[in-house]
Amino acid sequence: DAGVIQSPRHEVTEMGQEVTLRCKPISGHNSLFWYRQTMMRGLELLIYFNNNVPIDDSGMPEDRFSAKMPNASFSTLKIQPSEPRDSAVYFCASSFRDRAKNEQFFGPGTRLTVL
Amino acid sequence: GENVEQHPSTLSVQEGDSAVIKCTYSDSASNYFPWYKQELGKGPQLIIDIRSNVGEKKDQRIAVTLNKTAKHFSLHITETQPEDSAVYFCAARSGGTSYGKLTFGQGTILTVHP
Repeated sequence: DAGVIQSPRHEVTEMGQEVTLRCKPISGHNSLFWYRQTMMRGLELLIYFNNNVPIDDSGMPEDRFSAKMPNASFSTLKIQPSEPRDSAVYFCASSFRDRAKNEQFFGPGTRLTVL
Repeated sequence: GENVEQHPSTLSVQEGDSAVIKCTYSDSASNYFPWYKQELGKGPQLIIDIRSNVGEKKDQRIAVTLNKTAKHFSLHITETQPEDSAVYFCAARSGGTSYGKLTFGQGTILTVHP
């Protein structure tokens, strides 16, 4: 298995531009998570989906952020318009929801820089 | 919601020494506690986990202990090696309506000097 796939790996954009981050979870997993990592705030959960349905989006910072999961093998995180404070590494993770265990497999991340 | 505190934020040891990282959690309903290792430029990777019905778990040089009464758990690495140098995160899985959600600690930067 290729693991969780994220694209792009690096994104540099200017303030005000729209940014779309993409994620392909591990085949067979039914939960998908979007995290943001910064030095100041650590690893923050933004939103997570179970069976393609958003379950908890309380971590989404504001209306500029939106996430979709149109099917079990693809998800996007969109920032519109982007701001310099959105600069961070964004991780996607997937897991198979199970009462006994909840191992989340992380992708390599997308490093976003907003100038 | 759940709150996870992790200490220390940085830890420096000599090769061969032991390293201990400690975490506390706030939600008594949390029932699953994983530890992740993050190397530079990569995503976090699970190294060991423990469920709330177990007090201790060991896997070669790493072990995790859990004290449910005190709501704290610890990661122990023995015979440290330079390749153990990384950022380590503890996490707790919440129960109830936020089932499945992991709350992470702030991370510990471990440096093992040869």
